[in-house]
Amino acid sequence: SQTIHQWPATLVQPVGSPLSLECTVEGTSNPNLYWYRQAAGRGLQLLFYSVGIGQISSEVPQNLSASRPQDRQFILSSKKLLLSDSGFYLCAWSPLSSSYNSPLHFGNGTRLTVT
Amino acid sequence: KQEVTQIPAALSVPEGENLVLNCSFTDSAIYNLQWFRQDPGKGLTSLLLIQSSQREQTSGRLNASLDKSSGRSTLYIAASQPGDSATYLCAVGGGTSYDKVIFGPGTSLSVIP
Repeated sequence: SQTIHQWPATLVQPVGSPLSLECTVEGTSNPNLYWYRQAAGRGLQLLFYSVGIGQISSEVPQNLSASRPQDRQFILSSKKLLLSDSGFYLCAWSPLSSSYNSPLHFGNGTRLTVT
Repeated sequence: KQEVTQIPAALSVPEGENLVLNCSFTDSAIYNLQWFRQDPGKGLTSLLLIQSSQREQTSGRLNASLDKSSGRSTLYIAASQPGDSATYLCAVGGGTSYDKVIFGPGTSLSVIP
């Protein structure tokens, strides 16, 4: 069966420090991968999505970047964190084909607090 | 631009009650609609997915309906239990890939024993 792992679960970082969040998927090949951010009291915001190794699309211009060095690995990064980067970050995957017939599968999220 | 709203924002019911959560969307040209459950501090778990050609989906005590023409979906939970307490989010798919999924803000449900 497919599983998605996301770490760390919680992170407290000072303003201006770098960030690296990692997500890996097991039990499937060529998944679509996504990074979402959930701010308090707001819906999920899509940050990045990837349909293959090295292929990254950004939905929102911001202080963050994403990379996909391997088929089932998705990394969210920042060179210098801002206070506004605080939030709950969720990684998700969906099958590459017939995506609209298959649900999104989410990791357990990372709670990032920038101080 | 697709916008998704959910009413009510929060709901508290006694155990055993049947309840309905509402989701509305502004653009009826959708591919699917999903309902998710989110426990505090956790990721989202998919509950039901309704394709645009379908009217409803059922799973156990959950039933989700879709009326594309009116831009509405409902999630019906029968015989609610304390374990159903969570935030429920609907998400509308506007295309064949998930970069076009728009999420609602969620309804926070509390089932009182």
